[in-house]
Amino acid sequence: TQLLEQSPQFLSIQEGENLTVYCNSSSVFSSLQWYRQEPGEGPVLLVTVVTGGEVKKLKRLTFQFGDARKDSSLHITAAQPGDTGLYLCAGRGSARQLTFGSGTQLTVLP
Amino acid sequence: NAGVTQTPKFQVLKTGQSMTLQCAQDMNHEYMSWYRQDPGMGLRLIHYSVGAGITDQGEVPNGYNVSRSTTEDFPLRLLSAAPSQTSVYFCASSYSHRGNYGYTFGSGTRLTVV
Repeated sequence: TQLLEQSPQFLSIQEGENLTVYCNSSSVFSSLQWYRQEPGEGPVLLVTVVTGGEVKKLKRLTFQFGDARKDSSLHITAAQPGDTGLYLCAGRGSARQLTFGSGTQLTVLP
Repeated sequence: NAGVTQTPKFQVLKTGQSMTLQCAQDMNHEYMSWYRQDPGMGLRLIHYSVGAGITDQGEVPNGYNVSRSTTEDFPLRLLSAAPSQTSVYFCASSYSHRGNYGYTFGSGTRLTVV
């Protein structure tokens, strides 16, 4: 079983601060996705990274896939209250199924 | 709007009762899956299907059955509900094209077993 560990589990910051969320595994993934989930809703796909070392930007969000394709990070610049939510990483291995991390609950205070 | 529709949104069952969670998608995706989400544990795969007539077990399949008679529908059946099955259940469908893929999730069913 491939495991993904996310850190930190909880993060509470003030509006305007920067933050980084980490997703680590001892397994290699063919690709990795980041999702954001709001209360009462299902996860919504933010990005997919495929190539080791790949960096993708989505407005104030920067996603990076580790060179060895075992880890990933999500960096948010100048966080806003609208960024509040549960952030989940999910890795795709040799099969088509996704393995999810346990999530990082982010709260951005105004 | 196109997407994944789950019903019901909330359900309370007594121990030993059975029920079916419904999931339908209108995006013509071949791949569908069921996850359960528990606090601090992320989403865990219960069952999945790569196409009509084909299903397989995920990480936590015990106590659940699935079938896939059409591309659109992928119901999840609880055979004899137990308190350990109290959770939020998500259905997802996925496309795959030239190595790219994207999952669309339903809004979930919150199940409480008493």
